[in-house]
Amino acid sequence: ETGVTQTPRHLVMGMTNKKSLKCEQHLGHNAMYWYKQSAKKPLELMFVYSLEERVENNSVPSRFSPECPNSSHLFLHLHTLQPEDSALYLCASSQDRTVNYGYTFGSGTRLTVV
Amino acid sequence: GQNIDQPTEMTATEGAIVQINCTYQTSGFNGLFWYQQHAGEAPTFLSYNVLDGLEEKGRFSSFLSRSKGYSYLLLKELQMKDSASYLCAGRNNNAGNMLTFGGGTRLMVKP
Repeated sequence: ETGVTQTPRHLVMGMTNKKSLKCEQHLGHNAMYWYKQSAKKPLELMFVYSLEERVENNSVPSRFSPECPNSSHLFLHLHTLQPEDSALYLCASSQDRTVNYGYTFGSGTRLTVV
Repeated sequence: GQNIDQPTEMTATEGAIVQINCTYQTSGFNGLFWYQQHAGEAPTFLSYNVLDGLEEKGRFSSFLSRSKGYSYLLLKELQMKDSASYLCAGRNNNAGNMLTFGGGTRLMVKP
């Protein structure tokens, strides 16, 4: 356990479903991130929240919708996804965006879109 | 982005030494990180370099040359449990000091 908890660990959803991924950290960090990890591709930054304010939206399709209700929780709401969205979705947190220790990652949600 | 490049796969023998290289674009560079990721698990922090030179932490060391845009991760006395992906990530102050990751190097340690 790294201190960043993601649920569910695995998710299979149809293209017409709506689901949400949850991330929780109790490390006292004030920045949280969503990354997408596809096979044989670099980690792709999706969204960044700093002090609960979205500061980065990396040209992510609108079928992905983030929510950060407080500094400990981050959600990724999913709707009408495509099969190419199947990937490992990683949440991370950091003390702030300039910290020298990088990010603490969760174990990810393995998403399969059918 | 910062165009982080690292080899896709490497194989080494238990007990040996392996060096995993990483190159990056130097413009706006503000720190280089290495992470280890076992299959199905979270990436975990290994090392951070911002100044030239070698940082040693037990069996793992990381080196940085800012002028060459080059880093390597050195793993000594390899163990089977070191089989994992190793992710190189650069922080760029032209990108809000956020991390850009390479594709990862999958290391297989054989007996």
